[in-house]
Amino acid sequence: AQTVTQSQPEMSVQEAETVTLSCTYDTSESNYYLFWYKQPPSRQMILVIRQEAYKQQNATENRFSVNFQKAAKSFSLKISDSQLGDTAMYFCAFMKRSVIQGAQKLVFGQGTRLTINP
Amino acid sequence: GAVVSQHPSRVICKSGTSVKIECRSLDFQATTMFWYRQFPKQSLMLMATSNEGSKATYEQGVEKDKFLINHASLTLSTLTVTSAHPEDSSFYICSARQDRVTEAFFGQGTRLTVV
Repeated sequence: AQTVTQSQPEMSVQEAETVTLSCTYDTSESNYYLFWYKQPPSRQMILVIRQEAYKQQNATENRFSVNFQKAAKSFSLKISDSQLGDTAMYFCAFMKRSVIQGAQKLVFGQGTRLTINP
Repeated sequence: GAVVSQHPSRVICKSGTSVKIECRSLDFQATTMFWYRQFPKQSLMLMATSNEGSKATYEQGVEKDKFLINHASLTLSTLTVTSAHPEDSSFYICSARQDRVTEAFFGQGTRLTVV
């Protein structure tokens, strides 16, 4: 079974600063996806960024980037130039890659509550 | 991205009654839908996975007779909490995925309060 661990329950930074959220996972699979989801106070889950394990290049989406270390099973999220709207719960998630992709489950970490202060 | 609509967003029901939550994929065919439960300040706990036209697969510890899931069409899945009790009060979230597509899209969630 896969497990995802987020060791930082809460983090707080000032607006415009850079912040890094940590995530480690455990799996025996070689083909998988990793995700970061954001859950703002509205509680709507929003996909922030996705990484395919077979890709060595770290994914980037505007101010969001990841540091994917496959051997270490580490998948951190860096938020640059943080904004007040980035305040949310952030969940790291794992999903096995399969030919029956639609039915694959997401395994979530415990979440990190990020607060961006003005 | 694709849109998943969950209804109602909030519901209050009396203990012993049943309540139905709907999850609709508005612009794609959802071959698989997932139902989660989320307690305050905690992560999402997967309750069950449903495929269109098939019986749902429940996670260990989830009572299938209490949480009835129906996925009758490619755009609609329902979760019915039967004989609700105060301990069933929680935030319920659905997500939907199209076949052979990696990304799952989430509904807005339903806050259920049983009084």
